[in-house]
Amino acid sequence: SSELTQDPAVSVALGQTVTITCQGDILRRYYAGWYQQKPGQAPVLVIYGKGNRPSGIPDRFSGSSSRDTTSLTIIGAQAEDEADYYCNSRDITGYHVVFGGGTKLTVL
Amino acid sequence: QVQLQASGPGLVKPSQTLSLTCTVSGDSISSGSFYWTWIRQLPGKGLEWIGYISYSGSTSYNPSLKSRVAISVDTSKNQLSLKLSSVTAADTAVYYCARENGSGSYYLDYWGQGTLITVSS
Repeated sequence: SSELTQDPAVSVALGQTVTITCQGDILRRYYAGWYQQKPGQAPVLVIYGKGNRPSGIPDRFSGSSSRDTTSLTIIGAQAEDEADYYCNSRDITGYHVVFGGGTKLTVL
Repeated sequence: QVQLQASGPGLVKPSQTLSLTCTVSGDSISSGSFYWTWIRQLPGKGLEWIGYISYSGSTSYNPSLKSRVAISVDTSKNQLSLKLSSVTAADTAVYYCARENGSGSYYLDYWGQGTLITVSS
């Protein structure tokens, strides 16, 4: 299967650590990308490959993967981290792109 | 710095063909291991991949939209185009163009700002 499954909503207290997960059999083959989307804005890449951060992404964002699950961790969550987070990957054919359903992160 | 700017008509009538353009700056659309991609987001929903055209000119489309979609590039203008035929209200969405980087792994590293398309008579 090429489906990617995310929890619909996650919350974290300000300054605490939160992990958002993305699960799918295809992740045994491909690394996922992680995207942050704030209301009314385009998604922004925050993690790619084996836990790489694009320039400009704070180092409180990190990524890891194990077997069929990839994780996005925010250490010391800030108010500005409140957003929707999506994972994506190529599918089993290698030619199509799939997205997880997204996780709405609330910072309390 | 790569920038993408999507543009379109804003409003399209049902059964017509939606045409969008994405102008790329800061990089040549024909260079590198890149896949020039269209993605949409229905109101209040998640991201849906529409398709891409690769650096070599090959295309790949979402199976659910394949019969209605065509993606092309104009290298002279450094532009990416999307045509979606026989639109209905269900095609109302924000449409994004993006660059998928295929070096090492696959990820969408640059996104346009998105353009809202409403299908209504």
